[in-house]
Amino acid sequence: DSGVTQTPKHLITATGQRVTLRCSPRSGDLSVYWYQQSLDQGLQFLIQYYNGEERAKGNILERFSAQQFPDLHSELNLSSLELGDSALYFCASSSPDRGLYEQYFGPGTRLTVT
Amino acid sequence: AQSVTQLGSHVSVSEGALVLLRCNYSSSVPPYLFWYVQYPNQGLQLLLKYTTGATLVKGINGFEAEFKKSETSFHLTKPSAHMSDAAEYFCAVSNAGNNRKLIWGLGTSLAVNP
Repeated sequence: DSGVTQTPKHLITATGQRVTLRCSPRSGDLSVYWYQQSLDQGLQFLIQYYNGEERAKGNILERFSAQQFPDLHSELNLSSLELGDSALYFCASSSPDRGLYEQYFGPGTRLTVT
Repeated sequence: AQSVTQLGSHVSVSEGALVLLRCNYSSSVPPYLFWYVQYPNQGLQLLLKYTTGATLVKGINGFEAEFKKSETSFHLTKPSAHMSDAAEYFCAVSNAGNNRKLIWGLGTSLAVNP
């Protein structure tokens, strides 16, 4: 158990819909990362937050957005969903402020868009 | 810019044989290097990391990796493969900036044959 939790575990929705994925980082970790993993694209970094502020952006679509709240949990919002958005979405956390740069991953949310 | 190359997207070994998964990186600054393992339908789990100090790093489940600066490599090895080692393995490098975002390899799928 990494200490990172993600909900829901599975999500099935239709094209055009909007969903929210939730992540709680390990206790004390200030940095949260979101990743998308699909068979054809592999592991893709989406976005990073550090203590509530956006720190880095990766291959995140404009239809996607994220935020980190004062209690450090984070949400990833996916809108106008397309079939190609079906993937595993992982959240990870780390403590770069403590010189600990390894990331600890949650179990993921499997999103299926039909 | 940093990058990671994992040679061989699929590696197959016999049970009891040596496991060697190759990772080469490019970095303009001293890198921090990581190996992660992903078992089917699970999140990524940290196997081992190199930051500074001893270049031979031991991780969980009998794996180890050696940082070779002259070869810009960080290959993962295990003397004797076990069936339970079958998984996807990812190498990652962290840059030295304030952000220290992880740059990921594409992964190597390890199959262990009885």
